[in-house]
Amino acid sequence: DSGVTQTPKHLITATGQRVTLRCSPRSGDLSVYWYQQSLDQGLQFLIQYYNGEERAKGNILERFSAQQFPDLHSELNLSSLELGDSALYFCASSPFGGGGVTEAFFGQGTRLTVV
Amino acid sequence: GQQVMQIPQYQHVQEGEDFTTYCNSSTTLSNIQWYKQRPGGHPVFLIQLVKSGEVKKQKRLTFQFGEAKKNSSLHITATQTTDVGTYFCAPSGSARQLTFGSGTQLTVLP
Repeated sequence: DSGVTQTPKHLITATGQRVTLRCSPRSGDLSVYWYQQSLDQGLQFLIQYYNGEERAKGNILERFSAQQFPDLHSELNLSSLELGDSALYFCASSPFGGGGVTEAFFGQGTRLTVV
Repeated sequence: GQQVMQIPQYQHVQEGEDFTTYCNSSTTLSNIQWYKQRPGGHPVFLIQLVKSGEVKKQKRLTFQFGEAKKNSSLHITATQTTDVGTYFCAPSGSARQLTFGSGTQLTVLP
């Protein structure tokens, strides 16, 4: 158990809909990363938050947004969903986000299926 | 984020054979991490390399960071079926993003 909790584990929704994925980082970790992994694909970096502030942005679509709350949990919002958004979404946390990248701990992921 | 090429994309080996995956960057890296993702699982941190020419071992796994800090490798000696999975390198240059290579999917045939 990595200590990172993601909910829900599975999500099935229709095209055009909006969903919210939730991530609770390990206790004490200030950084949260979000990744998208399509079938048999690599890990595409979406966005990183550090202590409530956006730190780095990757290939995140404009239809997607995220935030990190004062209690450090994070949410990834996906809107106007398309079939191609079906993927496994991972959240990871690590203690630091500024001076250096450290070991990241991944959650079990949320499998999103858009039908 | 830091762009790297990870090769090979796929590798099938007979149990007991050795396996190596490589991660190559065109620019100097601050450090590099390696992760393993089992089928149906999530990535799990293996190691972080920071120093030029660094070599670290974990049982049958040997990790190397190149002298120029532009490449890294993971070598598994005498593979076992438990080694099955995808191995990702995660290079860090700007120290702000944790981006991943494309991964090497290892299949071990019994």
